[in-house]
Amino acid sequence: DQQVKQNSPSLSVQEGRISILNCDYTNSMFDYFLWYKKYPAEGPTFLISISSIKDKNEDGRFTVFLNKSAKHLSLHIVPSQPGDSAVYFCAASSAGNMLTFGGGTRLMVKP
Amino acid sequence: NAGVTQTPKFRVLKTGQSMTLLCAQDMNHEYMYWYRQDPGMGLRLIHYSVGEGTTAKGEVPDGYNVSRLKKQNFLLGLESAAPSQTSVYFCASSSRQGHLWEQYFGPGTRLTVT
Repeated sequence: DQQVKQNSPSLSVQEGRISILNCDYTNSMFDYFLWYKKYPAEGPTFLISISSIKDKNEDGRFTVFLNKSAKHLSLHIVPSQPGDSAVYFCAASSAGNMLTFGGGTRLMVKP
Repeated sequence: NAGVTQTPKFRVLKTGQSMTLLCAQDMNHEYMYWYRQDPGMGLRLIHYSVGEGTTAKGEVPDGYNVSRLKKQNFLLGLESAAPSQTSVYFCASSSRQGHLWEQYFGPGTRLTVT
């Protein structure tokens, strides 16, 4: 059973608009959450993270929101740019243990 | 500074053949990992190592073996390849000094088993 789920396999957004990528988890022991970005033929790269003691973390155009009661996190990209087109993976960790990844969401930003 | 490199980039094997994937990192990281990526499944951890000479099983270790003889290298072996092992394999590393979860990934190896 997948402990981290990304229910939308793909998302299409117009350039300049907001992109919202969602992630749900089932393990209440997860205490650190991350987003990784992956371009074709490359490995994933770390994008942004959030600790379970926070509900928001912002880094430039990227903001991650955490709703612990709903076991849900989301990544907001504002404004979206064509270069943001990639696959985004949500990941979670408990007590510094290994990462558990979601299945990924392919974001396409149209010019 | 090359980061994390993987050899080879592509490989086609017949069922029952063996092969070794090589991962090398030049960041002096203590931790190294092997993942496989399958459509809709995200990345799943196969094996990992917390230091030279140590290895441990991840989520999907069956059919794979690993070795970490040198700090900078982490080898993934398939002794008898099966079609179910057709996947993209990623190696990653992370530092004990930083966050373990901020992992640096290699470009991947695409393996097809026929």
